[in-house]
Amino acid sequence: SQTIHQWPATLVQPVGSPLSLECTVEGTSNPNLYWYRQAAGRGLQLLFYSVGIGQISSEVPQNLSASRPQDRQFILSSKKLLLSDSGFYLCAWRGSGYGYTFGSGTRLTVV
Amino acid sequence: KQEVTQIPAALSVPEGENLVLNCSFTDSAIYNLQWFRQDPGKGLTSLLLIQSSQREQTSGRLNASLDKSSGRSTLYIAASQPGDSATYLCALGGSGGSNYKLTFGKGTLLTVNP
Repeated sequence: SQTIHQWPATLVQPVGSPLSLECTVEGTSNPNLYWYRQAAGRGLQLLFYSVGIGQISSEVPQNLSASRPQDRQFILSSKKLLLSDSGFYLCAWRGSGYGYTFGSGTRLTVV
Repeated sequence: KQEVTQIPAALSVPEGENLVLNCSFTDSAIYNLQWFRQDPGKGLTSLLLIQSSQREQTSGRLNASLDKSSGRSTLYIAASQPGDSATYLCALGGSGGSNYKLTFGKGTLLTVNP
């Protein structure tokens, strides 16, 4: 069966520090992968999606970047975090029937 | 641009009650609709997926309907239990293609009181 792993679960980082969040998928090949952010009191916002290795599309201009170095690995990064980058980050993949499966999320607090 | 609205924003019911959560959307040209559950501080758990050609899906005590013509979906929960307490999110899938995306509502916070 397909599973999605996301880590770390929580992260507290100072302003100006770098960020790297990792997401991996098992049990499928060539998945469409997505990064969403959920800010307090707001809905889920799509940040990036990827349809294959090295292929990244950005939905909103921001301080973050994404990379897909391997078929089942999706990484969210920042060179210098801002306070506004705080939020709950969720990785997802799209399965057969075009239903989505989400990871357990990373709670990022920038201080 | 697809807009998704969920009403009510919050709902509190006694245990055992049947309840309905509502989701409305502005663009009926959808691929599918998915209902999720989110517990506090956790990721999203998929509950039901309805393809655009379907009218409803059922899983246990849950039943979701889809009416594209009116831009509405409902999630029916029968015989609610305290364990059903969570935020329920409705998400619309756009037209097909490899850049397929979900558009979410802001959710309904459900509290089931014992």
